[in-house]
Amino acid sequence: DADVTQTPRNRITKTGKRIMLECSQTKGHDRMYWYRQDPGLGLRLIYYSFDVKDINKGEISDGYSVSRQAQAKFSLSLESAIPNQTALYFCATSDRLTSGEQYFGPGTRLTVT
Amino acid sequence: AQSVTQLGSHVSVSEGALVLLRCNYSSSVPPYLFWYVQYPNQGLQLLLKYTSAATLVKGINGFEAEFKKSETSFHLTKPSAHMSDAAEYFCAVSLITGANSKLTFGKGITLSVRP
Repeated sequence: DADVTQTPRNRITKTGKRIMLECSQTKGHDRMYWYRQDPGLGLRLIYYSFDVKDINKGEISDGYSVSRQAQAKFSLSLESAIPNQTALYFCATSDRLTSGEQYFGPGTRLTVT
Repeated sequence: AQSVTQLGSHVSVSEGALVLLRCNYSSSVPPYLFWYVQYPNQGLQLLLKYTSAATLVKGINGFEAEFKKSETSFHLTKPSAHMSDAAEYFCAVSLITGANSKLTFGKGITLSVRP
């Protein structure tokens, strides 16, 4: 079984709808991250959490919110989706005791029409 | 603040040829450096990492990278390309601090391998 899972894997939604992307991990890591990937722009950090009570904004947090329900679960919400939020979204985890390498889920492809 | 530069967006090589993907970093303190690979429709997979031990780092699938502080570079190489190496490759940098394990990624390079 995959260590980092994301649901759904694909989602098409309409402008203005609220949508939640979910991430679960079985690696026992304390740190979790949400990124979006756009062609030619690489990965950009949306939010990150170093433990259940610690939530931090990344470089592109506007229009997004997150919830860390447990050490193993970190969800990303788009309160009112807009077309320029169409992207590939990745969840990642890391262990504070390592050198900072992150482990990624398979991604969620989100299309906002 | 740290940053990563991956020059060019696409590299094409013939099967069996040398693969060289360039990465330059900017960091005010000694960095940790990483290369990730992304195959089509998959997440990112760690290829190798530099964490201030040996400057020549060997990774999975025959890839290696050399940390050169004087050139602020961490280029990825493989002596002989295989068709299965076709993917997107990302270089990333992290500061060596216990409290901060955020990665900064380059924009990525797509590697194509010609038969």
